Amino acid sequence: DSGVTQTPKHLITATGQRVTLRCSPRSGDLSVYWYQQSLDQGLQFLIQYYNGEERAKGNILERFSAQQFPDLHSELNLSSLELGDSALYFCASSVDASSYEQYFGPGTRLTVT
Amino acid sequence: DAKTTQPPSMDCAEGRAANLPCNHSTISGNEYVYWYRQIHSQGPQYIIHGLKNNETNEMASLIITEDRKSSTLILPHATLRDTAVYYCIVRVESGNTPLVFGKGTRLSVIA
Repeated sequence: DSGVTQTPKHLITATGQRVTLRCSPRSGDLSVYWYQQSLDQGLQFLIQYYNGEERAKGNILERFSAQQFPDLHSELNLSSLELGDSALYFCASSVDASSYEQYFGPGTRLTVT
Repeated sequence: DAKTTQPPSMDCAEGRAANLPCNHSTISGNEYVYWYRQIHSQGPQYIIHGLKNNETNEMASLIITEDRKSSTLILPHATLRDTAVYYCIVRVESGNTPLVFGKGTRLSVIA
């Protein structure tokens, strides 16, 4: 158990819909990262937040957005969902913005039908 | 894009050492070598990292060549629970650079 929690574990929704994935970092960690893992693209970095502020952006689509709240939990919002958005979404946390060790949560499996 | 090259798969007998190679010929002087692993659909797990000296922790050893263009992750006594995809990543330690995962090596530990 990494100490990072993600909800829900599974999510099934239809194309065109909007969903919100939630992540609670390890106690004391200030930085949160979101990753997407699909069969064809592998594990891809989406976005990083540190203490409420966006710090780095990866291959995140404009239909996707994220935020980190004052209590340090984070949410990833996915809108206008397409079949290709079906994937595992992982959240990770670290002590600070550049820590070498990131702790990954168990992931949320999103299925878009 | 990942800056590392790894074999797509390897097998290892249970109880034997697993040696996973990684090529990173374009590594810069301030980039570290990191290893993570992912056990079937679980979140990736940090294993070890190093700059130029060999490193060892309770999970594994990391051997980096003198020219730093390649490295080897060693699991000294592989168990069935070590079956996973192993990712070799190069990254500067400071700053906001993210972890860039390549395809990794799928290690199968066989009884």
